[in-house]
Amino acid sequence: DQQVKQNSPSLSVQEGRISILNCDYTNSMFDYFLWYKKYPAEGPTFLISISSIKDKNEDGRFTVFLNKSAKHLSLHIVPSQPGDSAVYFCAASLPSNFGNEKLTFGTGTRLTIIP
Amino acid sequence: DGGITQSPKYLFRKEGQNVTLSCEQNLNHDAMYWYRQDPGQGLRLIYYSQIVNDFQKGDIAEGYSVSREKKESFPLTVTSAQKNPTAFYLCASKESRKQETQYFGPGTRLLVL
Repeated sequence: DQQVKQNSPSLSVQEGRISILNCDYTNSMFDYFLWYKKYPAEGPTFLISISSIKDKNEDGRFTVFLNKSAKHLSLHIVPSQPGDSAVYFCAASLPSNFGNEKLTFGTGTRLTIIP
Repeated sequence: DGGITQSPKYLFRKEGQNVTLSCEQNLNHDAMYWYRQDPGQGLRLIYYSQIVNDFQKGDIAEGYSVSREKKESFPLTVTSAQKNPTAFYLCASKESRKQETQYFGPGTRLLVL
């Protein structure tokens, strides 16, 4: 059972516009969420994270929004740049007393920025 | 320069052969992880270790084995029991049991001849 879902396998966005990547989860116990960016044949790179006590976290061009009632998070990239073309994974973690040592990953969304 | 190194970058395995993938980190992280990535799929956890001389099975441990004799090293052996070993293997580490970010190595691609 896929507890973290990224329903859009791919997304194309014009350079300079906003990219919005979505992620849904089913386990309401998840309380920490991360976004990673991955280029082909390389390891994922951490982008941004958010704790469930917040509904928004911002870092430069990247903002993550968390809607706990909908079990939904999204990553906004503004403005989108050609170097943002990559596969983006969302991941979720349980609280420490429930075994937070593991991350559960979504299947990824391939973002293509069109010049 | 601190980080996670994986070697080799590409590895070829013959039928019935065991192969070992190396993962080393100099970040002084307590926890280390092995994931497998297949095309169109997310990262699936094979094994993880939160402390030296201790490790736990992840979601797809069958056909794999690990050891954690040193804090900085967490090698993964792909045994002949793993019937579909062709994949991209990723090692990661994390500082402690707290909710902190996992950092990944560059990966090893394993191919079966």
